[in-house]
Amino acid sequence: DGGITQSPKYLFRKEGQNVTLSCEQNLNHDAMYWYRQDPGQGLRLIYYSQIVNDFQKGDIAEGYSVSREKKESFPLTVTSAQKNPTAFYLCASSKPQGATEGIQYFGAGTRLSVL
Amino acid sequence: AQKVTQAQTEISVVEKEDVTLDCVYETRDTTYYLFWYKQPPSGELVFLIRRNSFDEQNEISGRYSWNFQKSTSSFNFTITASQVVDSAVYFCALSGSSGSARQLTFGSGTQLTVLP
Repeated sequence: DGGITQSPKYLFRKEGQNVTLSCEQNLNHDAMYWYRQDPGQGLRLIYYSQIVNDFQKGDIAEGYSVSREKKESFPLTVTSAQKNPTAFYLCASSKPQGATEGIQYFGAGTRLSVL
Repeated sequence: AQKVTQAQTEISVVEKEDVTLDCVYETRDTTYYLFWYKQPPSGELVFLIRRNSFDEQNEISGRYSWNFQKSTSSFNFTITASQVVDSAVYFCALSGSSGSARQLTFGSGTQLTVLP
């Protein structure tokens, strides 16, 4: 089945530690996105990538980093510079053209907590 | 700048009632897309509908219907004969039509609870 896989489902971070959230898609989508969701709030864009080896900052990129070495993969690293990382993180992907252009499809998310 | 407002934070209805979720948007783009997503307790966002700014026809899909009115910048979502399984957070979102403008701007969501 085609889809977006995020792992792990739950993640705990210690003070001063970097952690990496995985996002893999087999939908052959060009664009991938990372969002952060805080309780009772909407989604805010952290980073996005429209093509391999290229990515742009979203609205809340500080304290986060990404890479896009493969079309299928868009990992997000939450660095120690992110002082309030506890949130629900969602990865999405989309196609730039065709009948489903612009529709973002989401993974099941990763819940990150600070120990 | 784009903005999406969902003024209803929480709505509770009894099963079989109809319920309308409001969405108002702001954009300077002449071409844009509007979306609705459903987020059940599991957390994954499920795509429901996409609307092009040039297409103001209302749409019905089973018990779901959407009313797009450009004149009032609104894209409201109605669930007819609600069911307990409709309980979820519903998000309205907006994007431009090309390049980086394809980023989605989300509203803050409406928590719908359908009581048996």
